Amino acid sequence: KQEVTQIPAALSVPEGENLVLNCSFTDSAIYNLQWFRQDPGKGLTSLLLIQSSQREQTSGRLNASLDKSSGRSTLYIAASQPGDSATYLCALRGSTLGRLYFGRGTQLTVWP
Amino acid sequence: DTGVSQDPRHKITKRGQNVTFRCDPISEHNRLYWYRQTLGQGPEFLTYFQNEAQLEKSRLLSDRFSAERPKGSFSTLEIQRTEQGDSAMYLCASSLSAYSTDTQYFGPGTRLTVL
Repeated sequence: KQEVTQIPAALSVPEGENLVLNCSFTDSAIYNLQWFRQDPGKGLTSLLLIQSSQREQTSGRLNASLDKSSGRSTLYIAASQPGDSATYLCALRGSTLGRLYFGRGTQLTVWP
Repeated sequence: DTGVSQDPRHKITKRGQNVTFRCDPISEHNRLYWYRQTLGQGPEFLTYFQNEAQLEKSRLLSDRFSAERPKGSFSTLEIQRTEQGDSAMYLCASSLSAYSTDTQYFGPGTRLTVL
């Protein structure tokens, strides 16, 4: 069974800092990996998706990397803003069947 | 707006009552998923449909839970004889398998509180 761990559980930084969120997984046989954002009491917004054959994906100030051999992914956020405050979730698909395995998330607070 | 929609957004019920939630996926999406999320946890997979066929069910989906997707469009999730442990956010997602990325798009969720 795939186990997904996210470190740190919570992070509080001043505005403008570059930061890295970490995700590790136990089974490297993955189909793809997604990073999501979740605002309090709301649903999930997909940020980036990396296919198993890819090493990284970029969208604006976000960059996600994938290293299957070490079972790790990182989400890099450049020049953080208070509007980035949310919980960030890492999720893996282990096959084409579709089920996602989620970590518990990193709760990010960016203060002005 | 053509995103995933869920109804109701909030439901408060008494223990022992039955509840039903509805999910309307993005119109052209053939895959539909249900997840459950409790406070401080990531979402946990419940079940998955491709068109009208229910292809996978989690062990979390006890016999009190049933999901349907008639005609491969909207889906319903019913919980019978609710228990306090059923209190959670129930999330629906949809995707289109024709795309190689098959990104899952999530709805806003239905928050269930069982008193």
